[in-house]
Amino acid sequence: QLQLQESGPGLVTPSETLSLTCTVSDDSISSYSYFWSWIRQPPGKGLEWIGSVYDGGSTSYNPSLRTRATMSIDTSRRQFSLKLTSVTAADTAVYYCTRGLSGDKVDYWGQGTLVTVSS
Amino acid sequence: DVVMTQSPLSLPVTLGQPASISCRSSQSLVYSDGVAYLSWFQQRPGQSPRRLIYRASNRDSGVPDRFSGSGSGTEFTLKISRVEAEDVGIYYCMQGTHWPPVTFGGGTKVEIK
Repeated sequence: QLQLQESGPGLVTPSETLSLTCTVSDDSISSYSYFWSWIRQPPGKGLEWIGSVYDGGSTSYNPSLRTRATMSIDTSRRQFSLKLTSVTAADTAVYYCTRGLSGDKVDYWGQGTLVTVSS
Repeated sequence: DVVMTQSPLSLPVTLGQPASISCRSSQSLVYSDGVAYLSWFQQRPGQSPRRLIYRASNRDSGVPDRFSGSGSGTEFTLKISRVEAEDVGIYYCMQGTHWPPVTFGGGTKVEIK
């Protein structure tokens, strides 16, 4: 069974950069069949897709985040990552990393990690 | 962006009774390959979401057969034939056809009466 594990600071200062890493339990991260995505959920609210990395390094992001999000993938470490710049309190959320086939986009989810933006 | 609209917002159900959740998209979700990339997720309290249904009507491995998905174009439905206590949670639909961005419905909260 695939496992995805998010890691990173639980507290980020406003205007700073949020950095998260997702570690993948198997070699599927090397396959071009999958999309690797970040999705977030503010406390008590719904789900928002942040972006995906696929085809070995291509990326696509939610336009709502403008240019603040950057994703990358490191297949040798079985990891992919998210950086979100200029964070505000509105970026406080549980951040999930996910995997999915190219059409479906999302199937497996990590357990999620709560990131709070506060001074 | 494709807007996904779910109804109802809240769904109180008696144990053993059926439940139905609607998801409507602002444009057809049928991709050029003929597939509607519409998924349903269940999020139990305090847990990560779990996919139940993909491509509108395909049940994921390990999902009880009381869950079923149907629909095409812009109208989709998730049905629970007989609600059990473990089905309490929030259900989301999601489209992967027209992206970026991938978009989710606002969620439907299923609770026991």
